[in-house]
Amino acid sequence: AQTVTQSQPEMSVQEAETVTLSCTYDTSESDYYLFWYKQPPSRQMILVIRQEAYKQQNATENRFSVNFQKAAKSFSLKISDSQLGDAAMYFCAYRGTNEKLTFGTGTRLTIIP
Amino acid sequence: ETGVTQTPRHLVMGMTNKKSLKCEQHLGHNAMYWYKQSAKKPLELMFVYNFKEQTENNSVPSRFSPECPNSSHLFLHLHTLQPEDSALYLCASSHRGDLAKNIQYFGAGTRLSVL
Repeated sequence: AQTVTQSQPEMSVQEAETVTLSCTYDTSESDYYLFWYKQPPSRQMILVIRQEAYKQQNATENRFSVNFQKAAKSFSLKISDSQLGDAAMYFCAYRGTNEKLTFGTGTRLTIIP
Repeated sequence: ETGVTQTPRHLVMGMTNKKSLKCEQHLGHNAMYWYKQSAKKPLELMFVYNFKEQTENNSVPSRFSPECPNSSHLFLHLHTLQPEDSALYLCASSHRGDLAKNIQYFGAGTRLSVL
């Protein structure tokens, strides 16, 4: 079975600075997708970014980018120029060929003004 | 707002009550999901419906009874719940069958408290 581990329960960053959230996963599959979701206090789980395992190029969405290391089974999220609105729980998730999402336990990100 | 709407946002019920959670998606997806989110635990997948057919039941107690009358609506009927069932219940939908398009979109959840 696949597992997703987020080892940082909480992180904080100064506004306008850069922060990296860690995620590791375990799988025997070669074709899969990885996701980062954001859950602000409004509770809506919002997709931030996704990465297909076959693509070597790291995904980027505006201020959000990932560092995907397939051999190391690592999938970290970098947030540049942090803004107050980035404060939320961030969940890493894995989706394999069975099309089911497996989530990590989340990292609570605090932005310091 | 995404295209997934959940009602009610909050629900308080006694252990002997019967209530229902509702989820509606306006994204044209063919699959809908119920998740349970408890503090400090990963999201737990409860049920999956694909084209109105239940394809997944992750050993959920029978006091939770899902219903999917069509591919746009999903219900979770609750009866004789326990205090440990208190949690945030999230609904999601996606386009299953195409790995590239299968992205799950979530509603804002129902915060359930069982007294």
